[in-house]
Amino acid sequence: DAGVIQSPRHEVTEMGQEVTLRCKPISGHDYLFWYRQTMMRGLELLIYFNNNVPIDDSGMPEDRFSAKMPNASFSTLKIQPSEPRDSAVYFCASSLRRNNEQFFGPGTRLTVL
Amino acid sequence: DAKTTQPPSMDCAEGRAANLPCNHSTISGNEYVYWYRQIHSQGPQYIIHGLKNNETNEMASLIITEDRKSSTLILPHATLRDTAVYYCIVRDNYGQNFVFGPGTRLSVLP
Repeated sequence: DAGVIQSPRHEVTEMGQEVTLRCKPISGHDYLFWYRQTMMRGLELLIYFNNNVPIDDSGMPEDRFSAKMPNASFSTLKIQPSEPRDSAVYFCASSLRRNNEQFFGPGTRLTVL
Repeated sequence: DAKTTQPPSMDCAEGRAANLPCNHSTISGNEYVYWYRQIHSQGPQYIIHGLKNNETNEMASLIITEDRKSSTLILPHATLRDTAVYYCIVRDNYGQNFVFGPGTRLSVLP
């Protein structure tokens, strides 16, 4: 298996633009997680899905952030409009069950100018 | 509230064992100890986890004290590629999220 796949690996955009990050989890994994990592706040959970259904989005910072999982092999994290403080590395992870270890993707480094 | 305490940084000589400590004095009976690491510019990588017994896999060994208030991750023969931030996380198996603290930055020196 190729592991968790994320795209793009790097994204540079201007403030106010819409940004869409993509994730393909490991096949057969029922859970998908979105994290954000910054120097100031470390690694934070934003939202997670079980069988394509969002379960806990309490970590989503504000309404500018939204996440979807239209099918078992694809999820998106969208920021609209983007702001410089959204600059971070965004990771997607998946796990077979809720209590199993999570496998992380390589991350998307987002820079908002 | 942080459930674990780790030293911010450690050095280890290449080829020697790296012993990374973690304190989790408030751990409850149904909580596991997990270890992840994050190599620069990569996503976190699962290493090992355990409940009360010592565990070993191809990557590392996990030693948990009898009172479960602390643990040690052991990399038996550290290489330069083991340089990374190591996270110790306490979590139950009933739905708690993984909460990543600042971890320990391990530098393996030639």
